[in-house]
Order: sequence, then structure tokens, then C-alpha cells
Amino acid sequence: SAVISQKPSRDICQRGTSLTIQCQVDSQVTMMFWYRQQPGQSLTLIATANQGSEATYESGFVIDKFPISRPNLTFSTLTVSNMSPEDSSIYLCSALTGLSYNEQFFGPGTRLTVL
Amino acid sequence: GQQLNQSPQSMFIQEGEDVSMNCTSSSIFNTWLWYKQDPGEGPVLLIALYKAGELTSNGRLTAQFGITRKDSFLNISASIPSDVGIYFCAGGGGSRLTFGEGTQLTVNP
Repeated sequence: SAVISQKPSRDICQRGTSLTIQCQVDSQVTMMFWYRQQPGQSLTLIATANQGSEATYESGFVIDKFPISRPNLTFSTLTVSNMSPEDSSIYLCSALTGLSYNEQFFGPGTRLTVL
Repeated sequence: GQQLNQSPQSMFIQEGEDVSMNCTSSSIFNTWLWYKQDPGEGPVLLIALYKAGELTSNGRLTAQFGITRKDSFLNISASIPSDVGIYFCAGGGGSRLTFGEGTQLTVNP
């Protein structure tokens, strides 16, 4: 298994500002992902964080809005840029420790509120 | 893209009752998984299913991978208050998971 921590756990931000969320895994993992979970909704994959190269974004998400870094095998950041109230959501980091879906673990999430 | 329809959206039951929820899809998945999410936490895997027709149990939980590979169900027997939470199904195909909309379960003592 893997223990995933995220910082901050929650934040309240002003419109137009940016927030960077950090994700740390306690062991080396094969893949890292970022999800968004809007209030009362399902999880939507934003992107796969690739080590040492640009993230792979899902349809509807772009690098300018959600820049992602993954400098090593255990750490990744997601930035939510130029925020608007529509960005209010829970952002979840996830990591795959092996090759099977039952080896995918989730962080506790970062609850973001944009005023 | 792929979509999963999960039902019911919410359930209110008495402690001791059995619960059933299901997911259907228009697409075939190679894997079906069921997660539980508690408030302020990320989803935690309950059961993973890898073969059409597979029936798997984890304590009081039982899940099945539909024979058509387009659906799955989760049963919880003899519910207890700590079963409260949101349950998500997820279909695995390729390199990503597609999640259902979730079932909010409330258990009254």
C-alpha cells in the first residue's frame, strides 16, 4: 500500500489568484494522478503526472489552467491558476504502486473554495 | 467519453438491513472496482473484480462483475453505523478509471 499526504488540506482563495497543491507519497510509485471532485459529485481525472516530462491531460483540462509538476517518483504538485468560483472543488492526488487498479491509492484531498 | 450510471443516488436504511447498489455502463470494462469515501478522506478500495461473472466477498461486502462486462453490483449485509459514507463504482479500461456518481449511504442506529 501507499500513504499519500496532501498540502494544504483546505484553503479559501480569492478570484484571480493561484494555488499550488502538494502531494507526497511515502514510497516510490509507478504513476501519479490528479482528480477533481466537485461537491456531491464523482471523481474526474484531470491529468496523469509524468516524471520529468509534461503531464498528460484529459479532455477539458489544459496545462495553462492546471500546471502539474512531478520532479521525482514520490512527489507532485498541481496548480489551479487564475481561479474562479467554478474551481471550488476537492482536488485529489492518487498514486499507482504497481500495475493493477487494486494498487491505486488516494490522498485525503484538498478542499478549495474560491470566493 | 465513458460514463457509469450508479444507482441509487442515496439510501437511508436501518442498522442490520442489507443494502444493494449497482453500476451500469454502455461500454465494456476490463475491471470493476468499488470504493468507499468517508468525509474529508479519499476513496478507499473495497473490492476489485477482474473477470466477467466473478463474485467476490470482503467480509460483509459482496460484489459481482456482470457477465456482459457492462455492469456490477455491490451488496452490504447486516449494515452497521460505520458503513455510512459514499460508495463509488469504477470501471477500469486502458490506463484510467472511470467513476460512477456515487451512492450516499446513511445507516440509522
